[in-house]
Amino acid sequence: GIQVEQSPPDLILQEGANSTLRCNFSDSVNNLQWFHQNPWGQLINLFYIPSGTKQNGRLSATTVATERYSLLYISSSQTTDSGVYFCAVEGFGNEKLTFGTGTRLTIIP
Amino acid sequence: GAGVSQSPRYKVAKRGQDVALRCDPISGHVSLFWYQQALGQGPEFLTYFQNEAQLDKSGLPSDRFFAERPEGSVSTLKIQRTQQEDSAVYLCASSLSRSEQFFGPGTRLTVL
Repeated sequence: GIQVEQSPPDLILQEGANSTLRCNFSDSVNNLQWFHQNPWGQLINLFYIPSGTKQNGRLSATTVATERYSLLYISSSQTTDSGVYFCAVEGFGNEKLTFGTGTRLTIIP
Repeated sequence: GAGVSQSPRYKVAKRGQDVALRCDPISGHVSLFWYQQALGQGPEFLTYFQNEAQLDKSGLPSDRFFAERPEGSVSTLKIQRTQQEDSAVYLCASSLSRSEQFFGPGTRLTVL
């Protein structure tokens, strides 16, 4: 099956800093999603982005499908951005999502 | 509209008990998924329905796990004779076919 790797595994930043999270995947994908899992465990949809670039406020994402990677950018970090960020991909032929191991982001006031 | 809901939110079971976890998908969503998330890990796929048809159950870890969606809406994940290794958060997601998946809050199962 598809392998999904995320980096870095952990990231600690001061409030106001910018960050870039990376997701590499091993095969062509039909769908890619970024999620934020908050401290209560809820997976919050950030982007549905099989290719191209999208922006939503302080967050933006870019997926380069031909090179099998996606990037999530967070600008002007806030303490509420803390949590685990997951990348998940859907291969062709099956709708299931395969998740990466996540990036744990901690924003210090 | 309402998102995906799951019940119960927390379940404690004694080893050997049977449990049933419920998922109410977003209205009109054709596809429904169950995932298992162990502590410190990403969610892992268990099974998937399109309407009432179970199209993929390759992720179910043993024959003690059973899922159904008899009317193509609400789904139940049943675990028979629970074991300690079944302790995890069970997540349900739904989507229109071949599109963005939306997740419920999960059921945290603890087997003593």
